Amino acid sequence: GENVEQHPSTLSVQEGDSAVIKCTYSDSASNYFPWYKQELGKGPQLIIDIRSNVGEKKDQRIAVTLNKTAKHFSLHITETQPEDSAVYFCAAARSGSARQLTFGSGTQLTVLP
Amino acid sequence: DSGVTQTPKHLITATGQRVTLRCSPRSGDLSVYWYQQSLDQGLQFLIQYYNGEERAKGNILERFSAQQFPDLHSELNLSSLELGDSALYFCASSVLAGAGTDTQYFGPGTRLTVL
Repeated sequence: GENVEQHPSTLSVQEGDSAVIKCTYSDSASNYFPWYKQELGKGPQLIIDIRSNVGEKKDQRIAVTLNKTAKHFSLHITETQPEDSAVYFCAAARSGSARQLTFGSGTQLTVLP
Repeated sequence: DSGVTQTPKHLITATGQRVTLRCSPRSGDLSVYWYQQSLDQGLQFLIQYYNGEERAKGNILERFSAQQFPDLHSELNLSSLELGDSALYFCASSVLAGAGTDTQYFGPGTRLTVL
C-alpha cells in the first residue's frame, strides 16, 4: 500500500519568514495530494490540494509543488503569522471509487512572534 | 466549520465495553470516511461508505464496524474495547466516491478514552 513520509516533524520560524514542509510517497499511482492543517482540539482542515496533472498551485500565502518523477511534494507558507501555528499533514490518494487518504506523520509548525 | 458534525465530543468508558460514534456528513455529501488518530499510529483510514454501501476498508479491527443509514449519517461501533483503542476518531465526508473534485471535509472528532 501507499506510504507517505513527512519532514520535518517540528519546525519553528520567525513571524514573517517562510516555512517549507516536504513529503514523499511510494505509490506511483497516487494522483491526489491534499494538505491539512489541524489546530489543537479540532479536526483537520483542508488548506490546499494538488492533482498530478499540475506541478504547482498557489493560494495567497500558501503554495504546493509536486514532482511526480521524484514522488515528492512540498508545502510552502510565506510571510508566516502566529495563527499559522498548527500541525500540518500531507496526504496522498489514488483516483478511483474509494479515495482513502494515506497521511504523513505531521509537522508541528510554530511561528514565533 | 466544515459542516460535518460528530457526537459525542468526548467519551470515557471501560475496557470490554461497546460504544457508538455518530457522524452527520455535509449536506449533499454521499461519502463518509472514518479515521483514527492516535499518538503512535497517526491518522489512519478505517472505512468508507458511499450512499449506504461499504466502499473501502483500511486498517479497521474486526471488533469495529460501521454503517451508513438512508439519511446518510454514519455510525462507528467499537466493541470489546481495549486501552489501545483510546484515540481521536474523525469522520470526513465528500460529495462522491473518488471523483476528480472529491475533497474530504473533516468533522471535529470524538475523543475516546478507555480506562
